[in-house]
Amino acid sequence: EDQVTQSPEALRLQEGESSSLNCSYTVSGLRGLFWYRQDPGKGPEFLFTLYSAGEEKEKERLKATLTKKESFLHITAPKPEDSATYLCAAPHKYIFGTGTRLKVLA
Amino acid sequence: ETGVTQTPRHLVMGMTNKKSLKCEQHLGHNAMYWYKQSAKKPLELMFVYSLEERVENNSVPSRFSPECPNSSHLFLHLHTLQPEDSALYLCASSQDRRTGSYGYTFGSGTRLTVV
Repeated sequence: EDQVTQSPEALRLQEGESSSLNCSYTVSGLRGLFWYRQDPGKGPEFLFTLYSAGEEKEKERLKATLTKKESFLHITAPKPEDSATYLCAAPHKYIFGTGTRLKVLA
Repeated sequence: ETGVTQTPRHLVMGMTNKKSLKCEQHLGHNAMYWYKQSAKKPLELMFVYSLEERVENNSVPSRFSPECPNSSHLFLHLHTLQPEDSALYLCASSQDRRTGSYGYTFGSGTRLTVV
């Protein structure tokens, strides 16, 4: 069965405390593993697409990586404005994870 | 306006009411979607339209009825809903059903409360 599983469910970090979010996937015929950011009361906002194992993408304090079974979203020296829910997804199969709720404390 | 616009942002309706959610995209995309987002659950696909033709229907109860009059507009008609239908309803669009390099563009959602 195609699915994506995210962990942890919630994460609290101090400002500047780097960490990683995990997305494990079993998706046949993967056509891109996507990361989105969702702020409360808003729709998800696109961050990255990763297509093949070994690929990495970066944007400001975020870096996404992909292996054959997992994707990681690394957050380096986070700031309070990075607080949000981060979703991973395989949109071509209409599959989304439940997300990781990140809270960065000042 | 740019992007994907959803109205209304908030909706409270009784179980016997009839209401409609509206979605409009200004991106020239060919595919549009309705997703349901409930607390602590993954986004749940409801309907997919490609070039105004419904191509996916994810076993959604008949009290939800979609309409896609053209490639820019999508509606979700609601009638005799249940309290468990309370959720955030998200509209999205993409270049085509293969989603392209940027996946979906989402609207801000309609927060629906059924009383």
